[in-house]
Amino acid sequence: RKEVEQDPGPFNVPEGATVAFNCTYSNSASQSFFWYRQDCRKEPKLLMSVYSSGNEDGRFTAQLNRASQYISLLIRDSKLSDSATYLCVVFGNKLIFGAGTRLAVHP
Amino acid sequence: DVKVTQSSRYLVKRTGEKVFLECVQDMDHENMFWYRQDPGLGLRLIYFSYDVKMKEKGDIPEGYSVSREKKERFSLILESASTNQTSMYLCASSAGGLNTEAFFGQGTRLTVV
Repeated sequence: RKEVEQDPGPFNVPEGATVAFNCTYSNSASQSFFWYRQDCRKEPKLLMSVYSSGNEDGRFTAQLNRASQYISLLIRDSKLSDSATYLCVVFGNKLIFGAGTRLAVHP
Repeated sequence: DVKVTQSSRYLVKRTGEKVFLECVQDMDHENMFWYRQDPGLGLRLIYFSYDVKMKEKGDIPEGYSVSREKKERFSLILESASTNQTSMYLCASSAGGLNTEAFFGQGTRLTVV
C-alpha cells in the first residue's frame, strides 16, 4: 500500500464549479500535512498547509481527519487558472508526496 | 526569495556512466531532499538529509547515493546509470521543524541511453 494515496483524476469541471479532492495516508504518526500545486513542466509549489482545525485561504479550504487518516482540499468557484496537478504531502519522519490529482477547468 | 538551483535542466548520459546531479540552496535550510518524478507515479523520495554529512534512505534508494559535505549542497550520484533511471529529478529544501514549506529546484530531466 502506498503511504499517500490520491485519486489521479482527471477532474474535468466547468468554470465556477466546486471540486473536492481527497487523500489518505497510512502512517498514523504523521505530523504535518500540505497541499502542493504543480503546473505542467514546472516544479511543485506550496498551496497551503493543512491544520487539524481546518483552514481556508480564499477559495481553497483544507481539512484534516486524523481518526480516518485523510486530508481534503475543496476549491470553490473554479477558475481556468486552477488547472494543475494537486499533490497531497505528508510529513512523518520524511516528506512523502502523493502521485497527484489532475484538475482541468474548462470554459 | 528562496532559491534552489539544480546544476542542469537536461542531461543525456550513457548506460554505465557515473552521473552527478548537483543541488544548491541559498536559505541555510537544514533539510534537503532528492525525488524522482515519473508519469503516474508522482514524486518518489530517493534520499534525504537533515544535516551536513547526514543522509537517510527514502523509498527508492537502490542505484543511487548522495553526498552532503556542506549545508547548502546536496548531490545525487548514480553510480552506474541505467535506462530505468531515465526520469525527472527534483531537489527540495526546507527549514528545520515540521510545518515548514519545501522549496523545489526546477528539475533535471535525465535521459540514459
